[in-house]
Amino acid sequence: SQQGEEDPQALSIQEGENATMNCSYKTSINNLQWYRQNSGRGLVHLILIRSNEREKHSGRLRVTLDTSKKSSSLLITASRAADTASYFCATGQGSWGKLQFGAGTQVVVTP
Amino acid sequence: DTGVSQDPRHKITKRGQNVTFRCDPISEHNRLYWYRQTLGQGPEFLTYFQNEAQLEKSRLLSDRFSAERPKGSFSTLEIQRTEQGDSAMYLCASSLAMVHGTDTQYFGPGTRLTVL
Repeated sequence: SQQGEEDPQALSIQEGENATMNCSYKTSINNLQWYRQNSGRGLVHLILIRSNEREKHSGRLRVTLDTSKKSSSLLITASRAADTASYFCATGQGSWGKLQFGAGTQVVVTP
Repeated sequence: DTGVSQDPRHKITKRGQNVTFRCDPISEHNRLYWYRQTLGQGPEFLTYFQNEAQLEKSRLLSDRFSAERPKGSFSTLEIQRTEQGDSAMYLCASSLAMVHGTDTQYFGPGTRLTVL
């Protein structure tokens, strides 16, 4: 079974627009991570946020975490065609160990 | 390239055959994970190793699946008597788990298995 659920399942935007996707999870976590996957390829780690953190930035990425609502959001600002990919949130229950992934949000950025 | 590598990248086999996949983690990473991903879904955890010790196995890992990590370096995942339901992308990840930290898992490109 999967821990997280991403919303929306699919998102289509134009270059330059912002893209926001959400992740909800069910059980207490130690950390939450976001990954990107281009079609048919491996996952690329984007950002990790710990349970005691509320917001993190990395370049054009902004992640928030609300543990009281068991939810996280990923914002991609000024999107580019190269951002076209599936985005997954993954939760870790311990400091290390297995990750539980959601089903992902498929993002398409058109020029 | 010093990332995680997997071999082969694609495998087509007939139902009932055995297959073996290999994963080479990032050098000096002490943890190695196997996940399985089916179309339209996120990866699902199968098993992981700390050095050569297999610490956890998912219930998804039936008796037909076995994984090893001899000497704590590369790992192999073997599927015996393959079934069509085994068709999926098999992903390997590695990390450097430190006592006072949270490890980030770095994924390989995956092995896509098709069982006919």
